Amino acid sequence: DSGVTQTPKHLITATGQRVTLRCSPRSGDLSVYWYQQSLDQGLQFLIQYYNGEERAKGNILERFSAQQFPDLHSELNLSSLELGDSALYFCASSVGPQGARGNTIYFGEGSWLTVV
Amino acid sequence: GESVGLHLPTLSVQEGDNSIINCAYSNSASDYFIWYKQESGKGPQFIIDIRSNMDKRQGQRVTVLLNKTVKHLSLQIAATQPGDSAVYFCAETPGANNLFFGTGTRLTVIP
Repeated sequence: DSGVTQTPKHLITATGQRVTLRCSPRSGDLSVYWYQQSLDQGLQFLIQYYNGEERAKGNILERFSAQQFPDLHSELNLSSLELGDSALYFCASSVGPQGARGNTIYFGEGSWLTVV
Repeated sequence: GESVGLHLPTLSVQEGDNSIINCAYSNSASDYFIWYKQESGKGPQFIIDIRSNMDKRQGQRVTVLLNKTVKHLSLQIAATQPGDSAVYFCAETPGANNLFFGTGTRLTVIP
């Protein structure tokens, strides 16, 4: 158990809909990362927050947004969903802002999103 | 853009044998590499890392080798056990906060 908690574990929704994925980082971790894992794209970095502020941005679509709240939990909002958004979405956390450098990044078990 | 890839998508080894998983990267600016293990239904788990000022690093039953000349790294697992069955990813971080993952190699250990 990495200590990173993600909900829901599974989600099925229709195209055009909007969903919110939730993540609680490990106790003491200030950075939260979101990754998307799909069969054709592999593991792709989406975005990082550190202590409530956006820290780094990856291949995140404009239809997607995220935020980190004062209690350090994070939400990833996916809107106008398309079939191609079906994927496993991982949240990860680390203590510091440097990403993998100087920090071990711990991954949650992911949220499976199926868009039908 | 960065590109991290793997030579073999699948690898089957006999229990007790050594496993070698290979990874090629394309960004010569990358100076930090990590191997992750992902078991079915779980998130990636850190195994071992290596910085570009090293060419070898050893952990418990695992060794990572880095060849910067040919932009190649490998993960060696000694005395492979059934619990080692998983998908293994190499990842690079070329100075940014992002981790760039390879496509992964599925390791299957045959009892």
